[in-house]
Amino acid sequence: DAGVIQSPRHEVTEMGQEVTLRCKPISGHNSLFWYRQTMMRGLELLIYFNNNVPIDDSGMPEDRFSAKMPNASFSTLKIQPSEPRDSAVYFCASRPYVAETQYFGPGTRLLVL
Amino acid sequence: DAKTTQPNSMESNEEEPVHLPCNHSTISGTDYIHWYRQLPSQGPEYVIHGLTSNVNNRMASLAIAEDRKSSTLILHRATLRDAAVYYCILRDPLGQGAQKLVFGQGTRLTINP
Repeated sequence: DAGVIQSPRHEVTEMGQEVTLRCKPISGHNSLFWYRQTMMRGLELLIYFNNNVPIDDSGMPEDRFSAKMPNASFSTLKIQPSEPRDSAVYFCASRPYVAETQYFGPGTRLLVL
Repeated sequence: DAKTTQPNSMESNEEEPVHLPCNHSTISGTDYIHWYRQLPSQGPEYVIHGLTSNVNNRMASLAIAEDRKSSTLILHRATLRDAAVYYCILRDPLGQGAQKLVFGQGTRLTINP
């Protein structure tokens, strides 16, 4: 199994630009999570999906952030417009619905100039 | 969410056992104790979890106090590859937000050669 796949691995963009981060969960996993990690705030859950449906987006910082899961094998996290304070590492994780363990991807390191 | 308290950092020597403590005095009866670790420049990875009894797997052992107000992750023979940030997390599979993992600051473990 390839594990959770994220792309791109690194992204450098300018303030105001749209950024799209992508995630392919492990096949057969029903739940998908998006996290953000910064030095100041640590690892924070942004949003999670069960069976492609968003369940809790209370961690999404503001309206500039949106996430979609059009099918069981793909999810996107979009930031529009991006700001320097969005610079962070963004992780995607997936899990079988009733399992205890989350499996994390390698992350996307985002730098907004 | 019930809180956990961990030391900010610990240091040990290669090939020696490591005991990583975690206090969770407000743990509820249905909270599971989870441990994840994050190696440098990688996403978090699952280590072990338990409810009441001590648990062993190929990576580590989890010792849970009888009153469940504390637990200890034991790495029996640390290697340089065990240098990571270790997170102790409580998760109630039956509670609100049951699917969330709430990460604290964790313990940064340094292994000396």
